[in-house]
Amino acid sequence: SYELTQPPSVSVSPGQTASITCSGDKLGNKYTCWYQQKPGQSPVLVIYQDTKRPSGIPERFSGSNSGNTATLTISGTQAMDEADYYCQAWDSSTAVFGGGTKLTVL
Amino acid sequence: EVQLVESGGGLVPPGGSLRLSCAASGFTFSIYGMHWVRQAPGKGLEYVSSITSDGDTAHYANYVWGRFTISRDNSRNTVYLQMGSLGPEDMAVYYCAKGSSGSYSLGYYLDYWGQGTLVTVSS
Repeated sequence: SYELTQPPSVSVSPGQTASITCSGDKLGNKYTCWYQQKPGQSPVLVIYQDTKRPSGIPERFSGSNSGNTATLTISGTQAMDEADYYCQAWDSSTAVFGGGTKLTVL
Repeated sequence: EVQLVESGGGLVPPGGSLRLSCAASGFTFSIYGMHWVRQAPGKGLEYVSSITSDGDTAHYANYVWGRFTISRDNSRNTVYLQMGSLGPEDMAVYYCAKGSSGSYSLGYYLDYWGQGTLVTVSS
């Protein structure tokens, strides 16, 4: 079965750039989405089709996908961006999620 | 405004059954695929099942094949998840999510999620 691998945690200072990676076999041949989940809340879509931002998502969120790695980048990270982030792709018409990355802003 | 409201969770003994519901509003329900995703306490997101807009095609994660059944009633704007032979490994918050089109296609994504309903499996 297809697997997506994320680092368990990433730390960033306020105002700096955070990068969260997601690795999978030939992931660049698939579209990747990213979801943000804050404690006690439901997931929120922040990036879809590798690079697109849904309405209402700040411009500081961006994405890329090439080769075996997709990356979520948060520029000028704010305290409110502290959350768990999950990448997701599709394989055989079923969704596959990465294990999640806890982003700490300190 | 898109709203997805899950219900039906609760305490069920091992081996028991439960039916979850997800009531949708704020969009034309009948033209979008719908999905169930779960999250065990303190764990990550895990795909459970999908159903196409017309209800003709369903997909399941390997670990729920033969135990769970997804269905939908487009006249009631509701998607269901019938769960059986429940075990401790099924304890989780179950989220309903809306797809970006009627069925999976290249570029498909889950654009709205409900608040979830908690399923507890215990004697």
